[in-house]
Amino acid sequence: EPEVTQTPSHQVTQMGQEVILRCVPISNHLYFYWYRQILGQKVEFLVSFYNNEISEKSEIFDDQFSVERPDGSNFTLKIRSTKLEDSAMYFCATWPMGQSNEKLFFGSGTQLSVL
Amino acid sequence: QKEVEQNSGPLSVPEGAIASLNCTYSDRVSQSFFWYRQYSGKSPELIMSIYSNGDKEDGRFTAQLNKASQYVSLLIRDSQPSDSATYLCAVNKGGGGSYIPTFGRGTSLIVHP
Repeated sequence: EPEVTQTPSHQVTQMGQEVILRCVPISNHLYFYWYRQILGQKVEFLVSFYNNEISEKSEIFDDQFSVERPDGSNFTLKIRSTKLEDSAMYFCATWPMGQSNEKLFFGSGTQLSVL
Repeated sequence: QKEVEQNSGPLSVPEGAIASLNCTYSDRVSQSFFWYRQYSGKSPELIMSIYSNGDKEDGRFTAQLNKASQYVSLLIRDSQPSDSATYLCAVNKGGGGSYIPTFGRGTSLIVHP
């Protein structure tokens, strides 16, 4: 089965630093997502991306967050000035063609630790 | 009001028993319903999807949907220790091209030998 690839698997950073989390979506998928999961809590939607622009975003996705697809293959999530509460597992996910009977494909996640 | 609610558990069942996991959702216009399994430190893995009222069976798993009661469940027959994980219910409103599954907090299942 095709896979969504995320790098790095673990990222440790100091509070206030910028981090970029990277994802390589499955090549023919059209919809991309970032979710996060704080330890012991639920998987939370951050943002969806389609046709090179944000289609929807949650209240969590404030001005500190941005996404882009810089080169047609990578899909990145940037956190400009990290806070302690940004520590979480961040999942990239893709949805193939926008059909309701399709499933989300999740990457293996990036564990972000903000110290 | 929480959008997707699940009992956090843990639900403990003996090997070979039936495990029953439940989920309620608040938005009546929801159209798509999913059960994911998540092992500790791993990403969610889709087990079942269901879109219409009634039962849907896939191997040892049966998903049940009752839209009138806003209730979806997952039954796992002949539970195995390898089924021990957190089970996430996810609901998508659908329509208008919107596909953003909303997840519950998950129910921890422990299957003991």
